[in-house]
Amino acid sequence: GESVGLHLPTLSVQEGDNSIINCAYSNSASDYFIWYKQESGKGPQFIIDIRSNMDKRQGQRVTVLLNKTVKHLSLQIAATQPGDSAVYFCAERHQAGTALIFGKGTTLSVSS
Amino acid sequence: NAGVTQTPKFQVLKTGQSMTLQCAQDMNHNSMYWYRQDPGMGLRLIYYSASEGTTDKGEVPNGYNVSRLNKREFSLRLESAAPSQTSVYFCASSEYWGGNTEAFFGQGTRLTVV
Repeated sequence: GESVGLHLPTLSVQEGDNSIINCAYSNSASDYFIWYKQESGKGPQFIIDIRSNMDKRQGQRVTVLLNKTVKHLSLQIAATQPGDSAVYFCAERHQAGTALIFGKGTTLSVSS
Repeated sequence: NAGVTQTPKFQVLKTGQSMTLQCAQDMNHNSMYWYRQDPGMGLRLIYYSASEGTTDKGEVPNGYNVSRLNKREFSLRLESAAPSQTSVYFCASSEYWGGNTEAFFGQGTRLTVV
């Protein structure tokens, strides 16, 4: 069954707002997580990753938060831009040496 | 640097026809993958090749075969296409299998089986 999911299938924000995309996972043994961005007609692109021994990791305009207590992962995008409009997937790995498992995705729409 | 290149980009098949989807990466990655993506679904792993010379089944392997031709190339074959195989297929590669490294994806092949 689905072990990685997102709370909301769609999220609409205004340009300049901060966006938060959420992901719940069910396997407490998962040790590695990735966020991907997929623009229309393209393949997924890596955004940021985090290991299970971390709570937070920051990139350029993006922050990933990991709450292992409630098995929750979130992607925060600061000052959201129209170019951020895409489908965002979280993926988890249950343990080293296994494949990434992808969630169903959240569609982020940014209006200007 | 092209990354991961898939051919063809679009394909229409009749039920029962066969075809091979090609994938090549130029990043000297050890591991390669084939995923399918259906509307409202995440990416589901069909087959993977952890290293040159090895292939293994993923979550949804039925109806597919793969060949790791060399370190660069990993092909996916549909022997007898079915409408249920209508999907977008993505090839991906990563430096190592199961490691803390991201997978790089190709642009996808949009396959329709009628």
